[in-house]
Amino acid sequence: ILNVEQSPQSLHVQEGDSTNFTCSFPSSNFYALHWYRWETAKSPEALFVMTLNGDEKKKGRISATLNTKEGYSYLYIKGSQPEDSATYLCAFNRGSTLGRLYFGRGTQLTVWP
Amino acid sequence: DAGVIQSPRHEVTEMGQEVTLRCKPISGHNSLFWYRQTMMRGLELLIYFNNNVPIDDSGMPEDRFSAKMPNASFSTLKIQPSEPRDSAVYFCASSLGDTSNQPQHFGDGTRLSIL
Repeated sequence: ILNVEQSPQSLHVQEGDSTNFTCSFPSSNFYALHWYRWETAKSPEALFVMTLNGDEKKKGRISATLNTKEGYSYLYIKGSQPEDSATYLCAFNRGSTLGRLYFGRGTQLTVWP
Repeated sequence: DAGVIQSPRHEVTEMGQEVTLRCKPISGHNSLFWYRQTMMRGLELLIYFNNNVPIDDSGMPEDRFSAKMPNASFSTLKIQPSEPRDSAVYFCASSLGDTSNQPQHFGDGTRLSIL
């Protein structure tokens, strides 16, 4: 079992605040890092798949960076809105495990209006 | 485009009964994953198929659980006999390709309650 750690576990912010969370993963044999957004009573939805050290991806107000040498990724949300409230999951893959992902426990974000 | 389709959405049954969960992946996707979500363990992988062949079943809890993928458009997860501790939300996901450089697309899940 590979350890994927996410912090913080939960976060409460005001509408308009910018926020970020961290995903830590084993740096050896890295292949890919995924971010998913999971709203309550729905299913996880893919945000980003990142494979290269130094990768930066952006989707609207959400962006992510990747450092494979030190084993971490940051997810940033600029100007949080109530509809951003969700659990954000990261998942790590080693090439040797083909398509298998190891998920973290997630960061639960609540944005208050 | 149709996403991953799971059935049933909810299942309530008595301990000892057989439970069958079904999944239809997105057409053209050749990797299929079964996950279980619980409060204690979060999202855990049960089994993963690639081109209809089981690749990694190390997450299947015990012999009571079995999964099949008879063709590219259908998979089942069976629990026999079911126990109350099997109560959870079970998700099926599919992705394109053989490795993890493609995102996984999740179904809406089956909420299973074993009484």
